[in-house]
Amino acid sequence: DVKVTQSSRYLVKRTGEKVFLECVQDMDHENMFWYRQDPGLGLRLIYFSYDVKMKEKGDIPEGYSVSREKKERFSLILESASTNQTSMYLCASSSPSGGYTFGSGTRLTVV
Amino acid sequence: AQRVTQPEKLLSVFKGAPVELKCNYSYSGSPELFWYVQYSRQRLQLLLRHISRESIKGFTADLNKGETSFHLKKPFAQEEDSAMYYCAPNFYGNNRLAFGKGNQVVVIP
Repeated sequence: DVKVTQSSRYLVKRTGEKVFLECVQDMDHENMFWYRQDPGLGLRLIYFSYDVKMKEKGDIPEGYSVSREKKERFSLILESASTNQTSMYLCASSSPSGGYTFGSGTRLTVV
Repeated sequence: AQRVTQPEKLLSVFKGAPVELKCNYSYSGSPELFWYVQYSRQRLQLLLRHISRESIKGFTADLNKGETSFHLKKPFAQEEDSAMYYCAPNFYGNNRLAFGKGNQVVVIP
């Protein structure tokens, strides 16, 4: 019954590494989003996409990039991981007017 | 600027007591509004949206355009309501939501 799948539940990476977080949805949704979730800060939007090969910056895009080569897959890339990017990362998808379906999250620790 | 505020980080209530989670927003228009919930060790999920006017798990939310608020209410809290709740207006169109910082609700048996 899983509809939005994030490839890793936990990741530990070293400072300076390039990190890829993968998200796949099977609902044929046009919209996909990447958020980070931090205690006391709620969810903050990093990047989003309304179509294949399309991307838009969210509120905190610095240090991140994304890729959407296929409709079902939206990847978040940390070009050079830093300790302040230690967080829970949530992927979500939606139809143009529907509610969000979230993945289970990836808890990334950068050491 | 658009802003969503959930003033109380932590709300503790006794089982059977009413619970109200406040959500205020700053916006010149009429955004679509959502509440999302995250139970322990579960995914974030949609609780309700104001256009559907549904009551989900006993929760309701009333949009007050004059006060620009969308408070979530339940008359009798249950232990299974312990969770993190997020208010999320759609300020930008295209279904891009802005999430508040969340309310942690603890229901005391």
